[in-house]
Amino acid sequence: QSVLTQPPSASGTPGQRVTISCSGSSSNIGSNYVYWYQQLPGTAPKLLIYSYNQRPSGVPDRFSGSKSGTSASLAISGLRSEDEADYYCAAWDDSLSGPVVFGGGTKLTVL
Amino acid sequence: QITLKESGPTLVKPTQTLTLTCTFSGFSLSTSGVGVGWIRQPPGKALEWLALIYWDDDKRYSPSLKSRLTITTDTSKSQVVLTMTKMDPVDTATYYCAHSLYSNLFDYWGQGTLVTVSS
Repeated sequence: QSVLTQPPSASGTPGQRVTISCSGSSSNIGSNYVYWYQQLPGTAPKLLIYSYNQRPSGVPDRFSGSKSGTSASLAISGLRSEDEADYYCAAWDDSLSGPVVFGGGTKLTVL
Repeated sequence: QITLKESGPTLVKPTQTLTLTCTFSGFSLSTSGVGVGWIRQPPGKALEWLALIYWDDDKRYSPSLKSRLTITTDTSKSQVVLTMTKMDPVDTATYYCAHSLYSNLFDYWGQGTLVTVSS
């Protein structure tokens, strides 16, 4: 049981915009930075978004992050076949669950 | 460039102690703000954070595994070592180490190493 809650799956067609949600609490998303990671099949996770909505160098601007209250979202616009992967949210946590908590992951399928 | 690589046994027996080493390059764990963490992923399951050590030797552990984990560093060798006691088959997972710098949590990852717990 992950501290952060994500939908287990999401899907879209090429060119579409999809969003993946991440729900937490006041001790994590509500008061701390949120991170998003992309994990392609058989590979290590890769940082996509940090500090709510910043992208590391090399990450396309098709990926964006947002936060509202105790929830965060990852949006992918102009969906491409190579975006098919597992996506994880993470956050610092000030409670006894912390200091780092992950979501359960969302498998994105490009139809 | 920053690289990390995990090493250790691929197979351990139940009740044994697991020792994993993360050997890194491209940064120093003596630099302010730098941290190295361990994260694991059971086959087909989600990521789980295990431990984190900072440049000032501050150490943090997952509350649910704290009694079984120890994280240490050998700065001269650019290595971080994680030990986990009382291994159980449910601990079978790919274990990753990753770099952090201030608010950049786990911005670089190792390739991971699969550890199987079986008699």
